[in-house]
Amino acid sequence: DTAVSQTPKYLVTQMGNDKSIKCEQNLGHDTMYWYKQDSKKFLKIMFSYNNKELIINETVPNRFSPKSPDKAHLNLHINSLELGDSAVYFCASSQTGGNSPLHFGNGTRLTVT
Amino acid sequence: AQRVTQPEKLLSVFKGAPVELKCNYSYSGSPELFWYVQYSRQRLQLLLRHISRESIKGFTADLNKGETSFHLKKPFAQEEDSAMYYCALNPSGGYNKLIFGAGTRLAVHP
Repeated sequence: DTAVSQTPKYLVTQMGNDKSIKCEQNLGHDTMYWYKQDSKKFLKIMFSYNNKELIINETVPNRFSPKSPDKAHLNLHINSLELGDSAVYFCASSQTGGNSPLHFGNGTRLTVT
Repeated sequence: AQRVTQPEKLLSVFKGAPVELKCNYSYSGSPELFWYVQYSRQRLQLLLRHISRESIKGFTADLNKGETSFHLKKPFAQEEDSAMYYCALNPSGGYNKLIFGAGTRLAVHP
């Protein structure tokens, strides 16, 4: 099944913990993204990698660190989790190019207690 | 500032009625605009993009630069159109740096 897959689907953890979300795509795309969807359903881009190189880095706390071991994977590591980090995190991929459609994963719902 | 506004959180219509989902954008350059859709229990996916000038599942969207709008329209709504719809703007040309609106939930009743 060709798709963008991210794990875990749900993540519940306590404040101060460190957690990771993994993302993999088998679509042959060379660009991957992390988006955050807040409680008001706004989707905001956090990071983007093109061929393992960071190309978009929005104003995100440096507790968030993306890692791309190869162009098919983009993981998101979050240190010292805070209550405000609770959100749905979406991974996506596309070919390079502004009009290339994004293919999204199913999202990871992170709840910080 | 670059921004996408979808003024309606919820749009509720009956089957067979026309649908218009509103989207306004704020961008000084030449915009690239998209509509994405998320059906129940499915992932967010591209519905259409303005550059293609296509009709997908009966939906069309015309870019109106004078009104800075990209409204999504369908003449006759179907129950299977019920979903969350997001308008998105790519301001950065080469790379996808999509700016999404807050989304509009379309509910089509029988």
